[in-house]
Amino acid sequence: DGGITQSPKYLFRKEGQNVTLSCEQNLNHDAMYWYRQDPGQGLRLIYYSQIVNDFQKGDIAEGYSVSREKKESFPLTVTSAQKNPTAFYLCASSTVAGGPTDTQYFGPGTRLTVL
Amino acid sequence: AQSVAQPEDQVNVAEGNPLTVKCTYSVSGNPYLFWYVQYPNRGLQFLLKYITGDNLVKGSYGFEAEFNKSQTSFHLKKPSALVSDSALYFCAVRDRRMAYGQNFVFGPGTRLSVLP
Repeated sequence: DGGITQSPKYLFRKEGQNVTLSCEQNLNHDAMYWYRQDPGQGLRLIYYSQIVNDFQKGDIAEGYSVSREKKESFPLTVTSAQKNPTAFYLCASSTVAGGPTDTQYFGPGTRLTVL
Repeated sequence: AQSVAQPEDQVNVAEGNPLTVKCTYSVSGNPYLFWYVQYPNRGLQFLLKYITGDNLVKGSYGFEAEFNKSQTSFHLKKPSALVSDSALYFCAVRDRRMAYGQNFVFGPGTRLSVLP
């Protein structure tokens, strides 16, 4: 799992609550990503950020929000607007040189369950 | 548009036998290709990647992958499987012409089970 940490490992949320998932990296990477993983569906991109104070929507951004105030941190908030938030959430980071070094490295994940 | 296919949801192999996990891709330009492994309730671990040059790429834990441009494939292989190799394997592609961001596309994953 390299130099990327995610917390908490397990998170339980009641209906109507917002929750925030933490992602921190010490790899000095410029780019950070959030993915959602559902059983049998692989990874789907929620948001990504190429640089501090900038981020872009991925394929399934509805019901989620992010911030990128520091290079090493990219928290994800799952809002009450996300109708089916139960999933495994993965954070990743990479360099952004646009070349062969742009390999994504992943954190250990957070499993979110809605009660 | 880029896409990755992993035609087998599940691969079963006996311990000690060779294993192959298949991956085919589609990109407009030339690809960078990646393999990741995921153990239960863990993040993805990087195994290997193809950049250019030798079509046979060697990676972690004895895995290797062969890039075949004419067949647009990047199959993962290991000469002798271990029970500990049982996991979920993901192939990913990036079009090297594209800038960073949404250009990493992952396949759906293949579950490998190595039977003792």
